[in-house]
Amino acid sequence: EIVLTQSPGTLSLSPGERATLSCRASQSISSSYLAWYQQKPGQAPRLLIYGASSRATGIPDRFSGSGFGTDFTLTISRLEPEDFAVYYCQQSGSLLWTFGQGTKVEIK
Amino acid sequence: QVQLVQSGAEVKKPGASVKVSCKVSGYTLTQLSMHWVRQAPGKGLEWMGGFNPEDGETIYAQKFQGRVTMTEDTSTDTAYMELSSLRFEDTAVYYCAKAAANALPFSPDYYYYMDVWGKGTTVTVSS
Repeated sequence: EIVLTQSPGTLSLSPGERATLSCRASQSISSSYLAWYQQKPGQAPRLLIYGASSRATGIPDRFSGSGFGTDFTLTISRLEPEDFAVYYCQQSGSLLWTFGQGTKVEIK
Repeated sequence: QVQLVQSGAEVKKPGASVKVSCKVSGYTLTQLSMHWVRQAPGKGLEWMGGFNPEDGETIYAQKFQGRVTMTEDTSTDTAYMELSSLRFEDTAVYYCAKAAANALPFSPDYYYYMDVWGKGTTVTVSS
């Protein structure tokens, strides 16, 4: 099983600031197999990024993804009030899919 | 546009089984690869399993092997997830999610990600 470790656990930032979230895989995976999701309280997760760097339909361009091998990053260039949420990375590079444990982006 | 409508909340006793449904609209189920993800209160997302279109088999996470069964009724375009021998720690919100497929660059193969989610079904295990 591929283990995904996200850091930091919590990111305290102000609106307008830049957020950088990390996702590290226990073994190398093709960037095609890495996705990011956003989840707000009481809601289902929403797909943000697939293939490590492709934005899903309707996702603003302040969200960007990058990385390859074992290290992947989600960047929010300028935080909007609606961006404060929990973010998960997820891999589909093996038959057994897995999620990271999540990074909470909270208002400072 | 695909929509996934899940069944209502359930309360079950330890040792019982629960069967959660996920009705597809806007597509036929045979065109989709459905997965199930759960989230315990205050915890992260946990992939339970899903349909692998590469070989037509359903793959289950090792943690749930032997306790979970994912099935489909193509006549009603409804997917089901049944979890047996329920424990208190199975209390969670259970989500169905459709997997989208994109072609891998320079390859005949595909990669997958979950692009449409149901709203979730709360399952409470309580004595």
